[in-house]
This record gives sequence, C-alpha cells and structure tokens, in this order.
Amino acid sequence: EDKVVQSPLSLVVHEGDTVTLNCSYEVTNFRSLLWYKQEKKAPTFLFMLTSSGIEKKSGRLSSILDKKELFSILNITATQTGDSAIYLCAVEAFIIIQGAQKLVFGQGTRLTINP
Amino acid sequence: NAGVTQTPKFQVLKTGQSMTLQCAQDMNHNSMYWYRQDPGMGLRLIYYSASEGTTDKGEVPDGYNVSRLKKQNFLLGLESAAPSQTSVYFCASSRTGLRDGANVLTFGAGSRLTVL
Repeated sequence: EDKVVQSPLSLVVHEGDTVTLNCSYEVTNFRSLLWYKQEKKAPTFLFMLTSSGIEKKSGRLSSILDKKELFSILNITATQTGDSAIYLCAVEAFIIIQGAQKLVFGQGTRLTINP
Repeated sequence: NAGVTQTPKFQVLKTGQSMTLQCAQDMNHNSMYWYRQDPGMGLRLIYYSASEGTTDKGEVPDGYNVSRLKKQNFLLGLESAAPSQTSVYFCASSRTGLRDGANVLTFGAGSRLTVL
C-alpha cells in the first residue's frame, strides 16, 4: 500500500530559528513529490520535485529529494511568524493497471513560530 | 482571480440528511477532485473527474456521489449523512489531470461539515 509519512507531526520554534521538515514515502512507480503550505484555509503549492539531489529554492524555503533513500526535506531558514502553518507532503504515484496517476498525502506537520 | 470556489463554507447536518457541496473553478482546468481532511489523516481523495462527464472513485468513496455535468463545476453529494462524514472537505482542480503526469493542484478554501 502506498504510504507517505511526515515528521515531526508538530513543531514549535522561536522566530529566527531554522527548521527541517521530513517526508518519507513508499510508493510504487514514483513520479514526483510535492510540498504544500496550508494556513487557515486552502493548501497552496510550494515545490514539485522529480529528480534526486536538485535543490528547489524560494526565498527562505528550500527542498531536496533523495529517490534512493525515499525521502524529502523542506528547510525554512530565519523563520517568521508568518511561516506558521501545516506543511503537507504529497507523492504522485503511477497506477500501472489503470494507467493513471494518484496523489498520496502525508499527515502534515503543524509548524508554530513563536515571536 | 476567483480560482476554486466552494460552497457552503460551513454546514451542520443531522444523521440521515442529504446535502450537496458545490465547487466551481474558473481556470479552465480539465480535472477536478474532492478530498476530505481529518486530524492526523492528511488529505484523502474521495472522487475525481479527469474531464467533463467522467468521474472515478478515489480512496474513500463510500457514502458519497459526484456529478461533473459542466467543465467548471464538480458537485459532491451525501445521500444519507453519517457522523463519520464530519470533516473538512476540499475541492481542487488541475490542468494536467491524473492521467497526464505531474499534477499541481489548486485548492478551494474548504467546507467544514458537521454531522450530528
């Protein structure tokens, strides 16, 4: 069964700290891994990763994928209170029999940044 | 810049009642999805639609039905609501669709449903 596991489930840090969020996966026929940020409402897209070792960056956020060890990390440097959110990891898997892809989401990491 | 719009935002039902959650997107996306989000469970796919007029079951379809009569609309129905269906429901859409490769979803703001 396809599975995506995020850790930690919850993290509380002080403003200015650096945090690392983890996502490990076991899926058949991996195609891509996506990170989303969810504040009070809809998840918003952050990154899509398809190749190992290539870092994606956006401001203070960066992410990298290791397809050999089956995990990804999301780093946030110099955290701000506006970074407080749930961070969701999702893996796209190809379903051979149906000829389709599906997204499997992890449980999410709830990040709280205290001033 | 509406994106994906869900209605209603909040709903309280009694066990056995029926209702429909509505979703509309104005991005001309081919594919639309309904997810539910429960504490500690992440997002789970209920149904998806790769194109107008077609629908397929996701991970947790039992107790739900869907309709995609127009490209921009995707409706999620609960025929006889149960307390286990208390959840936050998210509609999403994507340009490429589940059959076409990498899939970036645009989500609606969510609908919080409570079944008593």
